[in-house]
Amino acid sequence: GAVVSQHPSRVICKSGTSVKIECRSLDFQATTMFWYRQFPKKSLMLMATSNEGSKATYEQGVEKDKFLINHASLTLSTLTVTSAHPEDSSFYICSALRLAGGETQYFGPGTRLLVL
Amino acid sequence: GENVEQHPSTLSVQEGDSAVIKCTYSDSASNYFPWYKQELGKRPQLIIDIRSNVGEKKDQRIAVTLNKTAKHFSLHITETQPEDSAVYFCAVMTTDSWGKLQFGAGTQVVVTP
Repeated sequence: GAVVSQHPSRVICKSGTSVKIECRSLDFQATTMFWYRQFPKKSLMLMATSNEGSKATYEQGVEKDKFLINHASLTLSTLTVTSAHPEDSSFYICSALRLAGGETQYFGPGTRLLVL
Repeated sequence: GENVEQHPSTLSVQEGDSAVIKCTYSDSASNYFPWYKQELGKRPQLIIDIRSNVGEKKDQRIAVTLNKTAKHFSLHITETQPEDSAVYFCAVMTTDSWGKLQFGAGTQVVVTP
């Protein structure tokens, strides 16, 4: 159990367009989901914490108008990269905490974004 | 805020030997310490975790030790195999930021046959 999916797995887009990434918990309910960004050969950098039914909490230095997060249900959170630019190219990974399931974070497979 | 340091950044071991990775943290309120394994282009996979009320935990070839006084914890992999080759990340969670993980920089482990 505790499977998290992401869609799409890869996306290539033109500069200036917006891209939406979905994160789903398939077999459990997740009140809290996290969005990370990972550069090649680097660690995971927390971007924001997404709580179902409330506004996301962004880490320092992350533009909330650039990275829109919506957590409309207990199984789905979305990250929209608005007006994407080449510097937004990265590997985006989500994770989820199980409702009443303790501290263990379950990670999605990641989405590789390439902005041309 | 929490500061997590991980060493070494790369580790090359002969198959069958042991590998040890160490992480230090700064916040004494830290209470949860997971270790993740990430293969290239894949998701991080939890391999073992430990909570602050325990000093050591073992799962087959993998063990984690925690020294709360010195604020460090270590991952031990015994009898390494080529499939253990990956990047390993330590992480720390504090009581005042429940659910949020602060990750170490990662250790690239290469197990040579």
